Amino acid sequence: GQSLEQPSEVTAVEGAIVQINCTYQTSGFYGLSWYQQHDGGAPTFLSYNALDGLEETGRFSSFLSRSDSYGYLLLQELQMKDSASYFCAVVFSGGYNKLIFGAGTRLAVHP
Amino acid sequence: GAVVSQHPSWVICKSGTSVKIECRSLDFQATTMFWYRQFPKQSLMLMATSNEGSKATYEQGVEKDKFLINHASLTLSTLTVTSAHPEDSSFYICSASLTTGNTEAFFGQGTRLTVV
Repeated sequence: GQSLEQPSEVTAVEGAIVQINCTYQTSGFYGLSWYQQHDGGAPTFLSYNALDGLEETGRFSSFLSRSDSYGYLLLQELQMKDSASYFCAVVFSGGYNKLIFGAGTRLAVHP
Repeated sequence: GAVVSQHPSWVICKSGTSVKIECRSLDFQATTMFWYRQFPKQSLMLMATSNEGSKATYEQGVEKDKFLINHASLTLSTLTVTSAHPEDSSFYICSASLTTGNTEAFFGQGTRLTVV
């Protein structure tokens, strides 16, 4: 079967750094993506890793270790607007971004 | 970026009726789209892969006769929830990507379905 594990909740203060871990066990793997979703909204793309290593996009970075079936999303200089749910998602081979999502991590940023 | 539009944003229907949800790629052609369902405070669960001009591929446990998918053109996929019941109340959302292997999925704004 397919499984992705990530923490259910994380709390942090403005300006802090938060790391959200994701471990996965899936049949078929093309890459690992991260999406942000505010309550009532649609998921929006944050980052993607196909190869081992760190990808940096502004305040957000994502890391992947294929050998460990592990990745993380690093959020720096947290802002109140970063309060949302964050999902890791395995991208399956075959293209077109067929995604299997983790359960999501609710991030609460406090002043 | 690419735009995916979903309609309606919300719908309330009576138990036993059917509801159709549309998903359109506005500025690109999408031979493949995906439909997800999300219950409150839960993850997005992949329901099916919608293929233009052919039958949809459903995930295990998803009733294909209840959730009818039609992808008649390169820019439109529809999901019809047939004989809806209160347990079908959920947030339904579609996604599409630009090309094979493109790293970003674009999501519609979602449809909040409430069955009363």
